[in-house]
Amino acid sequence: NFMLTQPHSVSESPGKTVIISCTRNTGSIASNYVHWYQQRPGSSPTTVIYEDNQRPSGVPDRFSGSIDSSSNSASLTISGLKTEDEADYYCQSYDGSDSLVFGGGTKLTVL
Amino acid sequence: QVTLKESGPVLVKPTETLTLTCTVSDFSLSNARMGVSWIRQPPGKALEWLAHIFSNDEKSYSPSLKSRLTISKDTSKSQVVLTMTNMDPVDTARYYCARILRYYYDHRGYYLSVSIRRFDTWGQGTLVTVSS
Repeated sequence: NFMLTQPHSVSESPGKTVIISCTRNTGSIASNYVHWYQQRPGSSPTTVIYEDNQRPSGVPDRFSGSIDSSSNSASLTISGLKTEDEADYYCQSYDGSDSLVFGGGTKLTVL
Repeated sequence: QVTLKESGPVLVKPTETLTLTCTVSDFSLSNARMGVSWIRQPPGKALEWLAHIFSNDEKSYSPSLKSRLTISKDTSKSQVVLTMTNMDPVDTARYYCARILRYYYDHRGYYLSVSIRRFDTWGQGTLVTVSS
């Protein structure tokens, strides 16, 4: 099994850009797609990025995803930050042997 | 509109067995591209995948909890049931069921040797407290 490591928290001001990383400890980050979920306080998670960089309909284009094989990590970038983006964000991937993995989550504060 | 709704006890005692039911609507548990997964989240902590089941009765469990979990489905009732034995206070959490997608062709139309598995719809979750 592999692990996905995220920063515990990040903060930034409205209108700015924030990048949340998700680093895979073993195996290639490119071997299985990474998906990102947003969980606002008191709510269930919703998908903001799937298949590394695809946005579901309804998710603003301020949200984007990428992977970097050199650092073996995936990133979620949120530009033009709004107070409504304040939430916990989780990355998720699959190891191909029937075990799904979530990252530890990142709390985004928009101050 | 696809929905999932969890039901089960709010409070269980240590050593007891927890049984949770997920009732789904607007999609069929016989659809090969979709399944139901259980995920939990202790208060203030991260999401933890527990198990999932697909239409062909393929089941998978979290390696760390495998010995305590059983997942099953009743397609005619649109229900998926999760049991967890020997409950402990550390199992206090909100338990979610979610629809899990399983497919082999990505957004570019490329065939993948390993399927994509991701969640697209979640229930509201049910808070289970383990206490004597």
